[in-house]
Amino acid sequence: AQSVTQLDSQVPVFEEAPVELRCNYSSSVSVYLFWYVQYPNQGLQLLLKYLSGSTLVKGINGFEAEFNKSQTSFHLRKPSVHISDTAEYFCAVSETTNTGNQFYFGTGTSLTVIP
Amino acid sequence: GAVVSQHPSWVICKSGTSVKIECRSLDFQATTMFWYRQFPKQSLMLMATSNEGSKATYEQGVEKDKFLINHASLTLSTLTVTSAHPEDSSFYICSARGFGLAGVYEQYFGPGTRLTVT
Repeated sequence: AQSVTQLDSQVPVFEEAPVELRCNYSSSVSVYLFWYVQYPNQGLQLLLKYLSGSTLVKGINGFEAEFNKSQTSFHLRKPSVHISDTAEYFCAVSETTNTGNQFYFGTGTSLTVIP
Repeated sequence: GAVVSQHPSWVICKSGTSVKIECRSLDFQATTMFWYRQFPKQSLMLMATSNEGSKATYEQGVEKDKFLINHASLTLSTLTVTSAHPEDSSFYICSARGFGLAGVYEQYFGPGTRLTVT
């Protein structure tokens, strides 16, 4: 089974500053990688995903993430954050098994953008 | 992209009553649906996995008699919280697995249902 680690539970950052949210997972065997954003009292919204191909993945709202197989990481970045980026961010790993895909979530990182 | 809906989005019920939450895949067929529970400031915890036409598989520690899951069709799964108590108050999120545009199976998440038991 996978374990997904989001190293920072809370990340405060000033508006227009860059941000990196870290995500590491335990195994790189046949995995797909995702980042989701959750605003208060709402469901999950897909930010971006890595399925195959280029290791640099661009998503919505100016976010991007880089898949690093050797370090089993999938860190999320944004060069300049906005107040509206304040939310909870979840990293997720989907692992292919004989019975299909199993989804594993990290514990989440709360991003707070300070004006 | 694929759309998953949940109904209701928010429900308040009295302790001891039962509540049914619906999860629908609107534009694709979902052979597998997942139910998650999320406590405040915490991550999603998988409760159960349901395949269309068969019994749900519950994660360890989840009471199957309390959280009844029915997956009667390829577009609908329901979660019934029976004899709800205040400790069942939580945010319940469903997810449906379908064949995505990239040619692989992907999971699509519903908007969640907030259950408050008084």
